[in-house]
Amino acid sequence: AQSVTQLGSHVSVSEGALVLLRCNYSSSVPPYLFWYVQYPNQGLQLLLKYTTGATLVKGINGFEAEFKKSETSFHLTKPSAHMSDAAEYFCAVRNDMRFGAGTRLTVKP
Amino acid sequence: DVKVTQSSRYLVKRTGEKVFLECVQDMDHENMFWYRQDPGLGLRLIYFSYDVKMKEKGDIPEGYSVSREKKERFSLILESASTNQTSMYLCASSSPGTGGDTQYFGPGTRLTVL
Repeated sequence: AQSVTQLGSHVSVSEGALVLLRCNYSSSVPPYLFWYVQYPNQGLQLLLKYTTGATLVKGINGFEAEFKKSETSFHLTKPSAHMSDAAEYFCAVRNDMRFGAGTRLTVKP
Repeated sequence: DVKVTQSSRYLVKRTGEKVFLECVQDMDHENMFWYRQDPGLGLRLIYFSYDVKMKEKGDIPEGYSVSREKKERFSLILESASTNQTSMYLCASSSPGTGGDTQYFGPGTRLTVL
């Protein structure tokens, strides 16, 4: 069975600072990896996904993630945080529909 | 745009009641899912369905059942609601593909069982 670990349930950054949200997975087969974002009182929406091919994946709102097989990681980054990025972020391994516990991002002015 | 709708945003029920949560998608997706979301636990899969009248148990099916009589509708049933089923319930749908199918989520139903 696969599992997903998100390091840090809460991350706080200043506006304009780098955002780094960590995700590690365990999988016995090549995974499909996803990042979803959940804004307050809304469902989840897709930020980006990795299936095959290029390991650096670009998503919406300036986010990107890099699949590193040797580290079993799929960390999410954004060079410069914006107040509107405040939300909860979930990493997921799609092969068996497992989600991480989520990381709540706070952006300070 | 894909739209997944859930019958209620907020629901309050009493212990022992039978509860129905409805989910409808308008994109002719084959796959539908029910998750519950709890703080610190993320999303946990309750049941999913790959076709009409078909269902598969997820990680936490105990105390729940599902029904899929039509392709666009997937219902979650709590046969006898208990307080530990107080949670946010999220429905999702997707279409199978070789590229790893994206799930589209509804807005969620926040269920409180008193």
